[in-house]
Amino acid sequence: QVQLVQSGSELKKPGASVKVSCKTSGYTFTMFGMNWVRQAPGQGPEWLGWINTRTGKPTYAQNFEGRFVFSLDTSISTAYLQISGLKADDSAVYYCARGIDGSDYVIVYWGQGTLVTVSS
Amino acid sequence: ESVLTQSPDTLSLSPGQRATLSCRASQSVSSYLAWYQQKPGQAPRLLIYDASSRATGIPDRFSGSGSGTDFTLTITRLEPEDFAVYYCQQYGSPLTFGGGTKVEIK
Repeated sequence: QVQLVQSGSELKKPGASVKVSCKTSGYTFTMFGMNWVRQAPGQGPEWLGWINTRTGKPTYAQNFEGRFVFSLDTSISTAYLQISGLKADDSAVYYCARGIDGSDYVIVYWGQGTLVTVSS
Repeated sequence: ESVLTQSPDTLSLSPGQRATLSCRASQSVSSYLAWYQQKPGQAPRLLIYDASSRATGIPDRFSGSGSGTDFTLTITRLEPEDFAVYYCQQYGSPLTFGGGTKVEIK
């Protein structure tokens, strides 16, 4: 079965960086793109963007260019999200998420989420 | 970018009642609209995509309708496990989510 397993919770100080991993199994990694979504406490989900797992080309949502970087290690079927210059309002649960067959953007599989807390 | 506005913010209903949730887009998204259910501490769960197609394993009491800018999620008879927060999401370009409707027990 399809599984997306993310790295554990992180507590970081403002200005620091964090790298979240998303290890996949149960399907061919390069057949589906990978979305990144975050959700702040009590808020709706917010799409950060998507990475083409065949070419490695990322697409960032408008508000997430610059400090947010998506990357891959296809040899271990793993996607990464790195955030630099962390701010308090980056505190959220970050999800990697895969689409259905036929649409990368209709999200049917989600990682368990990684809580990133930014606090001095 | 199409902004999605969901209404109402909260719907207070009893088990067995019908729930009607609305999602309005600021510009047309054709039928590129999905609905998700989220319970506390869990990731969202896909219910409906392409405005009206039920995802695998979703009971037929859940149905979606609409196109363009106005969409509706209907739950015909609320079961206890249906009390949750519901989000719409458009994937026309780029991808955005609505602010959610909480369906709570009256």
